[in-house]
Amino acid sequence: ETAVFQTPNYHVTQVGNEVSFNCKQTLGHDTMYWYKQDSKKLLKIMFSYNNKQLIVNETVPRRFSPQSSDKAHLNLRIKSVEPEDSAVYLCASSWDWGGYEQYFGPGTRLTVL
Amino acid sequence: QQQVRQSPQSLTVWEGETAILNCSYEDSTFDYFPWYRLFPGESPALLIAIRPVSNKKEDGRFTIFFNKREKKLSLHITDSQPGDSATYFCAAKKGGGSNYKLTFGKGTLLTVTP
Repeated sequence: ETAVFQTPNYHVTQVGNEVSFNCKQTLGHDTMYWYKQDSKKLLKIMFSYNNKQLIVNETVPRRFSPQSSDKAHLNLRIKSVEPEDSAVYLCASSWDWGGYEQYFGPGTRLTVL
Repeated sequence: QQQVRQSPQSLTVWEGETAILNCSYEDSTFDYFPWYRLFPGESPALLIAIRPVSNKKEDGRFTIFFNKREKKLSLHITDSQPGDSATYFCAAKKGGGSNYKLTFGKGTLLTVTP
């Protein structure tokens, strides 16, 4: 049963546009994450958010920014998309800050033309 | 530098055989190794995990064998079924505090042929 929800499923846009992806978890978890899965299927952490504390992976470009209203929601905004941003973006959550047993959402596939 | 490596990239076995998926890692401070399974069109789902205090973890047809000295682990799927066909990701995480980051391998695509 799905407990980490992401919208939209797919998004196609042009270079330079701004996009936003939404993520909601109904598991009551305290920590949420955004991962990027590239064309080679490699999953890489982008952000982790716990009790309003944000940890950013240092390799993430500044045009990416997470946004959270509460511990159940963690959205992702990309200010000005680039072709290399085409990927699947996966949201995940876990009970605590330790990152054990992360539960993933279905992903949002972004295509930048 | 890829900290978690998986092999083979793809694997095909016959129904009923044992599939063996390999994983190795670089960082000796990793202390948690989950395996995630990804079916096409679905989310990665935690399948089984192990910590270095054990050298074996079993859950039904799925068994992790862990060799801390060689920094290697493997996932054995016995009596493979066509429904096991999926991509399997090995991951690793450091222990303690806010070491939340899961480092993933590139995955092994398993195909089980009837």
